[in-house]
Amino acid sequence: AQTVTQSQPEMSVQEAETVTLSCTYDTSENNYYLFWYKQPPSRQMILVIRQEAYKQQNATENRFSVNFQKAAKSFSLKISDSQLGDTAMYFCAFMNMEYGNKLVFGAGTILRVKS
Amino acid sequence: GAGVSQSPRYKVAKRGQDVALRCDPISGHVSLFWYQQALGQGPEFLTYFQNEAQLDKSGLPSDRFFAERPEGSVSTLKIQRTQQEDSAVYLCASSPMSGRRTYFGPGTRLTVT
Repeated sequence: AQTVTQSQPEMSVQEAETVTLSCTYDTSENNYYLFWYKQPPSRQMILVIRQEAYKQQNATENRFSVNFQKAAKSFSLKISDSQLGDTAMYFCAFMNMEYGNKLVFGAGTILRVKS
Repeated sequence: GAGVSQSPRYKVAKRGQDVALRCDPISGHVSLFWYQQALGQGPEFLTYFQNEAQLDKSGLPSDRFFAERPEGSVSTLKIQRTQQEDSAVYLCASSPMSGRRTYFGPGTRLTVT
């Protein structure tokens, strides 16, 4: 079974600074996707960034980028120029294409951006 | 365009009552998922539909939980004889096809008293 571990229950960062959220996962499969989702307080889950395991190049989306280390099974999220609107719970998630599209989520990291 | 919608947004049930939670996926989305999210935790998979076929129900915690999607669009998650441990947010999600982006609904917060 696949597992996803987020070892940082809470993080805080000053506005405009950079923060990195950690995620590790466990799988024996080769064909999978990794995701970071953002869940603001009392609002719905939205996709931040996605990485295909077969791609060596790290995904980037504006201020968000990942550091994907396949051998180490590590998938961290870097948020640059943090904004107050980035305050949310962040979930790392794994999708194994051999088992349909279901997502396996980590426990989440609460990120607080301070002004 | 319209996203994934869920109703009701909040539901309070007395222990032992039956509840039905509705999900309207994005039009044309083939895949539909239900997840259960306990307070302060990550969502956990319950079940998966491809059109009207329920292809995976391995995450349903007990036979009190039942899901259907009879016409391949709207889905209903039914919980019979609710227990306090069923209190959670139930998230519905849909995607257009295998491997594509998954879109989440706002969730239904179920509180069992």
